[in-house]
Amino acid sequence: DAGVTQSPTHLIKTRGQHVTLRCSPISGHKSVSWYQQVLGQGPQFIFQYYEKEERGRGNFPDRFSARQFPNYSSELNVNALLLGDSALYLCASSLANLAGVDEQFFGPGTRLTVL
Amino acid sequence: AQSVAQPEDQVNVAEGNPLTVKCTYSVSGNPYLFWYVQYPNRGLQFLLKYITGDNLVKGSYGFEAEFNKSQTSFHLKKPSALVSDSALYFCAVRGLYGNNRLAFGKGNQVVVIP
Repeated sequence: DAGVTQSPTHLIKTRGQHVTLRCSPISGHKSVSWYQQVLGQGPQFIFQYYEKEERGRGNFPDRFSARQFPNYSSELNVNALLLGDSALYLCASSLANLAGVDEQFFGPGTRLTVL
Repeated sequence: AQSVAQPEDQVNVAEGNPLTVKCTYSVSGNPYLFWYVQYPNRGLQFLLKYITGDNLVKGSYGFEAEFNKSQTSFHLKKPSALVSDSALYFCAVRGLYGNNRLAFGKGNQVVVIP
């Protein structure tokens, strides 16, 4: 079975630009979450989407937005990039939303470098 | 707010010796606890979780973890470490209610010495 896939693998942008990262969950998973992992730190929660609706948002500015499509894939958008946005962006999918406590399965991540 | 503390930056252990990676947590209500492992340039791989029931949880690759409510701890253990266990280990917690947001610790680098 295919795991969580993310594209692109690596991305280099300059300050002020915007970026779109993509994620395809495991087949049958309806929940997608996004995390930011800065070098040397643990992942930080950005968003959760379930059935195409935002179910949670972490402490990130409005420059960060996301959406989930009818096929449960998801996009993370970041506008007006700052140097501090350089990080590994991880997508995770799971079966359950609020009622269940299923583990989240992570993709390999997109490495974003902002110059 | 939920949070996790992983007090050690790096854990060094000789191959064949027991491995322990420490984790303490803070959360309102009953915790849901997870351990993940990350290899270089890779995403996180799920190892095990504690939801309810037995305090000793068994997971993948011979790992287990012990939940201790009174000490708010969830330490990861392996009886006999392998060189291939060298990686970055993350403990995570989520609360009972709300979305499935995970709060991760800063991670522990495990180095298994041949």
